[in-house]
Amino acid sequence: TQLLEQSPQFLSIQEGENLTVYCNSSSVFSSLQWYRQEPGEGPVLLVTVVTGGEVKKLKRLTFQFGDARKDSSLHITAAQPGDTGLYLCAGTPGYSTLTFGKGTMLLVSP
Amino acid sequence: ETGVTQTPRHLVMGMTNKKSLKCEQHLGHNAMYWYKQSAKKPLELMFVYSLEERVENNSVPSRFSPECPNSSHLFLHLHTLQPEDSALYLCASSLSRRDTEAFFGQGTRLTVV
Repeated sequence: TQLLEQSPQFLSIQEGENLTVYCNSSSVFSSLQWYRQEPGEGPVLLVTVVTGGEVKKLKRLTFQFGDARKDSSLHITAAQPGDTGLYLCAGTPGYSTLTFGKGTMLLVSP
Repeated sequence: ETGVTQTPRHLVMGMTNKKSLKCEQHLGHNAMYWYKQSAKKPLELMFVYSLEERVENNSVPSRFSPECPNSSHLFLHLHTLQPEDSALYLCASSLSRRDTEAFFGQGTRLTVV
């Protein structure tokens, strides 16, 4: 059983479209992070959400933490080819070590 | 530039070889990690070091041997690996073991033949 379930697993869209990817769990997390990983590179931290219901914006990316701190979403507005990559959510249930989901592979075509 | 550097970037080794992966960080972090990333699997935590002491070992086979000589350097010594060990090996660091924000290196793409 995967602690963090990400959906969809793969998403292929055209430049300019909007999209939302999800990260869900049955466990409560003290915080959740979103990372983006490009092919052949390590993951790069995008954002950390800590408070239930919190919304954070990073340019065209909007991150939301669920009220119960069990889920999170990432919304991208007007996607660009540079947004292509593997989007990983990660969190620490309780005070254990960081756990990752399998990720959503996003492909944005020109 | 993430502040975490891994070498080599690519490695091909035979099943009888011995090799080492190196990770270096100059972020002033006290915790360092080794992760394994295989196709269609989530990132798997292998080892955690906090202040140079191994604090977590997630049932990793003994053919993988970590070493942390100081808080800036982390090694993963490899010997008698199997083809299924082929994967991207990622090093990460964080301010402390309880800090949830990890900074990753670019990884070493390992192929065992």
